[in-house]
Amino acid sequence: EVQLVQSGAEVKKPGESLKISCKGSGYSFISYWIGWVRQMPGKGLEWMGIIYGGDSDTRYSPSFQGQVTISADKSISTVYLQWSSLKASDTAMFYCVRLRIVGINPRGSFDIWGQGTMVTVSS
Amino acid sequence: SYELTQPPSVSVSPGQTASITCSGNKLGDKYVCWYQQKPGQSPVLVIYQDNKRPSGIPERFSGSNSGNTATLTISGTQAMDEADYYCQAWDSTTVVFGGGTKLTVL
Repeated sequence: EVQLVQSGAEVKKPGESLKISCKGSGYSFISYWIGWVRQMPGKGLEWMGIIYGGDSDTRYSPSFQGQVTISADKSISTVYLQWSSLKASDTAMFYCVRLRIVGINPRGSFDIWGQGTMVTVSS
Repeated sequence: SYELTQPPSVSVSPGQTASITCSGNKLGDKYVCWYQQKPGQSPVLVIYQDNKRPSGIPERFSGSNSGNTATLTISGTQAMDEADYYCQAWDSTTVVFGGGTKLTVL
């Protein structure tokens, strides 16, 4: 079964750092792009960025460039989303997602979604 | 930046046809996909490449895309179809989501 399994919920204080993970299984990790999508409480979906499992080529949404870091470790089929200094406004559900189409050019739809990681930032 | 516009809400009676639109400049030149999200759950892909259904998605879900508007159509809407629906497209190298539409079946 193809799946993305994300790390558990986090509660952090403003200014703290955080790295959440997404482990892929049931498919060839190096052939697909994995992205991150933010959903703030009661709001819609926002694309953050995407990384290619084969060579870690990474693309960011202009809205999130410089705010987060996306990385991957293909040896363990895992993608990460990292913050160096959290803000209260980072409180949200974060989904990792797999692009349906195989290849080095990211395009198309997200066919597999992780279960989500809730990040709460509060003093 | 490129924007996709959806109506905030759509209502439909059980058994009737629901249509949810997604508008964007020259959207017909791009591929559009649609996701369904029920409360407390991760989104699910229901339509890709304008009008294709992934395996396991009921035939009552269909899509179209032309001009500036893409449409998700749900025929014979059921109570289980009540959810938020999001359209998505690529603008060059950027993913864009619509703001979402809450479908109410009443």
